Amino acid sequence: DAGVTQSPTHLIKTRGQHVTLRCSPISGHKSVSWYQQVLGQGPQFIFQYYEKEERGRGNFPDRFSARQFPNYSSELNVNALLLGDSALYLCASSSDGGAGGNNQPQHFGDGTRLSIL
Amino acid sequence: AQKVTQAQTEISVVEKEDVTLDCVYETRDTTYYLFWYKQPPSGELVFLIRRNSFDEQNEISGRYSWNFQKSTSSFNFTITASQVVDSAVYFCALSEIGGGADGLTFGKGTHLIIQP
Repeated sequence: DAGVTQSPTHLIKTRGQHVTLRCSPISGHKSVSWYQQVLGQGPQFIFQYYEKEERGRGNFPDRFSARQFPNYSSELNVNALLLGDSALYLCASSSDGGAGGNNQPQHFGDGTRLSIL
Repeated sequence: AQKVTQAQTEISVVEKEDVTLDCVYETRDTTYYLFWYKQPPSGELVFLIRRNSFDEQNEISGRYSWNFQKSTSSFNFTITASQVVDSAVYFCALSEIGGGADGLTFGKGTHLIIQP
């Protein structure tokens, strides 16, 4: 079975531009989460979506938004890019994630490496 | 607020040595999950183990073992007879039970270097 797939793998943008990152979860997984990993740090939680609804949001500005589609794939959008947005963006999927879920392990994709010039 | 501390930034050992990676966590929740992930140079985070706060039994999986001690808020990871392929960054993570709406809280990671 295919794992979590993310596209593109690498992306170069300039300050002020907008970017869309895409994620396809493992088949059967209904929850998708997004994380930002700056070089040398652990991943930081951005969003969680379950059954197309936002279930959680980390401490990120409103320039960051996301959505989940009926097929459970997801997009992360970042507007007005800043140099500090340069990072590896990781998508993770799990089989649960709704209220009362039992925290099934999140399985991560290879990430999208975003560089801002 | 939840917090995970991995005090060892980098560890370097010679192949076949045993190595322990430390993880200390803080949470106000009485129920929670702890995780370890491995991140090779390719970038993908590989799930290694999940442990809930009610289960303090140590676990062994091949050369890997985990020591969960609630009294000291620690969840340490030991690799026995290390191999070069074990070289990676290892992350300890924490999440609350009940949907994980706050996501996983990760430590800063420990870069493990296994020298041949």
